[in-house]
Amino acid sequence: EAQVTQNPRYLITVTGKKLTVTCSQNMNHEYMSWYRQDPGLGLRQIYYSMNVEVTDKGDVPEGYKVSRKEKRNFPLILESPSPNQTSLYFCASRPTGLGTEAFFGQGTRLTVV
Amino acid sequence: AQTVTQSQPEMSVQEAETVTLSCTYDTSESDYYLFWYKQPPSRQMILVIRQEAYKQQNATENRFSVNFQKAAKSFSLKISDSQLGDAAMYFCAYRTGYSTLTFGKGTMLLVSP
Repeated sequence: EAQVTQNPRYLITVTGKKLTVTCSQNMNHEYMSWYRQDPGLGLRQIYYSMNVEVTDKGDVPEGYKVSRKEKRNFPLILESPSPNQTSLYFCASRPTGLGTEAFFGQGTRLTVV
Repeated sequence: AQTVTQSQPEMSVQEAETVTLSCTYDTSESDYYLFWYKQPPSRQMILVIRQEAYKQQNATENRFSVNFQKAAKSFSLKISDSQLGDAAMYFCAYRTGYSTLTFGKGTMLLVSP
């Protein structure tokens, strides 16, 4: 089954404790991206990647890191999480092409206390 | 920078009635795609419909159709014969070139029996 898999689905952590949210897709898509969703703000892009070893900042990259060592994986790293990073996070992937559909993971609900 | 505006935080409709969700966007690009995504309580992001800017004909997918006014930079979603399962958050989104999706803040659609 074609899908984007994020883990974990839910995470509660403490301020400053490094964490990684994994994202994997099995569709051989070139593009992958991370979004955060906050009430009243919609989805905002954190980072995106056009292919292996090619990443770029989105609209809200502060406090986040990403890497794209393999085509299928695009982990999101929070080196020192803070409470303002409490949010719902989505990973998405899509093939090359302007009108191609983006496939989203199930979302990760992160709470930083 | 591209922006997407959804001016209706919440809309209500009765079953079997028709509702229109509004979306406007700002861009200087000539070729781009517009999308409507649905997010039910399960949090899953589901593509409802897409429209290429070069196509004058409005896209239609079963009970969902769009009214695309390129000169006015308007992209509204019409849902006909509304069903209880249509209740969800709806996001309008825009994409051009190598960029990823830029989302509006969303419209919560409530459907009553």
